[in-house]
Amino acid sequence: GAVVSQHPSRVICKSGTSVKIECRSLDFQATTMFWYRQFPKQSLMLMATSNEGSKATYEQGVEKDKFLINHASLTLSTLTVTSAHPEDSSFYICSAAGGAKGSYNEQFFGPGTRLTVL
Amino acid sequence: LAKTTQPISMDSYEGQEVNITCSHNNIATNDYITWYQQFPSQGPRFIIQGYKTKVTNEVASLFIPADRKSSTLSLPRVSLSDTAVYYCLVGPSGNTGKLIFGQGTTLQVKP
Repeated sequence: GAVVSQHPSRVICKSGTSVKIECRSLDFQATTMFWYRQFPKQSLMLMATSNEGSKATYEQGVEKDKFLINHASLTLSTLTVTSAHPEDSSFYICSAAGGAKGSYNEQFFGPGTRLTVL
Repeated sequence: LAKTTQPISMDSYEGQEVNITCSHNNIATNDYITWYQQFPSQGPRFIIQGYKTKVTNEVASLFIPADRKSSTLSLPRVSLSDTAVYYCLVGPSGNTGKLIFGQGTTLQVKP
């Protein structure tokens, strides 16, 4: 399968600061990337869909001004958690689809980023 | 989006075959059925995908009946390292490509 990386793997920040998480598709060009959030003992929750060169589409209940998504190239999408608060502490996972690796039928997931807001 | 229903948890012992069934009664004609495995603090890992009948790869088999309203993931001879959460997904959704995760099945393999 394709390789998707995330950076950083874990981050601890103070309340009120902003944190940027990068998602990269290493061996294929992803036309679409997805961002998920997962709380302990829970399933993945889709936050937004990101298409290269266009604005992200957010799921209902996800604040677009708080979770800024940029998909500037076919191999990189970033999620910025602005003015983070303790309730934003979670495991953030990205996935990539499309491009030479096929259509949307298979998503390739990154290893996740553990965000802890103090 | 097609909703899936799986058992919340299952127990098994090393060396046994494990079958996890997923219900997806309102699966759409264009939907595929995909199973992912997730270990704690890791991203989901693709296991197998199918559209109809039976699919087999080096780690699992996927059985899909003709009506496609359910599917069964079969893991042969599980080991302790197969302890994980298994998610059944149907989709993706049209042109958006969205996949919606259900609650998943926590498989506990015992020695």
